[in-house]
Amino acid sequence: KAGVTQTPRYLIKTRGQQVTLSCSPISGHRSVSWYQQTPGQGLQFLFEYFSETQRNKGNFPGRFSGRQFSNSRSEMNVSTLELGDSALYLCASSDRMNTEAFFGQGTRLTVV
Amino acid sequence: GENVEQHPSTLSVQEGDSAVIKCTYSDSASNYFPWYKQELGKGPQLIIDIRSNVGEKKDQRIAVTLNKTAKHFSLHITETQPEDSAVYFCAASRDNQGGKLIFGQGTELSVKP
Repeated sequence: KAGVTQTPRYLIKTRGQQVTLSCSPISGHRSVSWYQQTPGQGLQFLFEYFSETQRNKGNFPGRFSGRQFSNSRSEMNVSTLELGDSALYLCASSDRMNTEAFFGQGTRLTVV
Repeated sequence: GENVEQHPSTLSVQEGDSAVIKCTYSDSASNYFPWYKQELGKGPQLIIDIRSNVGEKKDQRIAVTLNKTAKHFSLHITETQPEDSAVYFCAASRDNQGGKLIFGQGTELSVKP
């Protein structure tokens, strides 16, 4: 079974731009969660989607948004990028609520 | 609010020794506690997990214990090997929160040959 796939692996963007990251979950998994990982704040929950519906959202500004498609693939978007948005963005998939979550390798976003 | 505290932040052991990492959670409704291992340049990898209806779980050299009363859980690695060197994260979650995991700050484990 293929694992969680995140694209792209690396991104460099300029302040003020917007960016879209993609996540393809493990086949059959309907839940996709997104996390931001930084050295200072660690791993922080952004939001979670299940069957195209957002079930939970973390404490991030409205510039961070996401969506999920009918094939369970998910995208997250960050608008008006700030230097502090530089981080590793991780996606995790699971087959149902509150069970094993499997992470992708992440997208390393650098904002300059 | 929800919080998971993890200690120590760094841990250095000799190959063959045991390593113990401890976590404390604040939300008494938490009922699922996974542990992840993250190697450089990779995403976190689930290594073991435990649910609140179980006090201990073991998988080869790795074991996790849970004390619901004290709201803490621990990861035990026996007979450590250099390839165990990585950052380890504990996490907690509960029902009705979707896939939201609350992570500890991580422990950088170094196993010296």
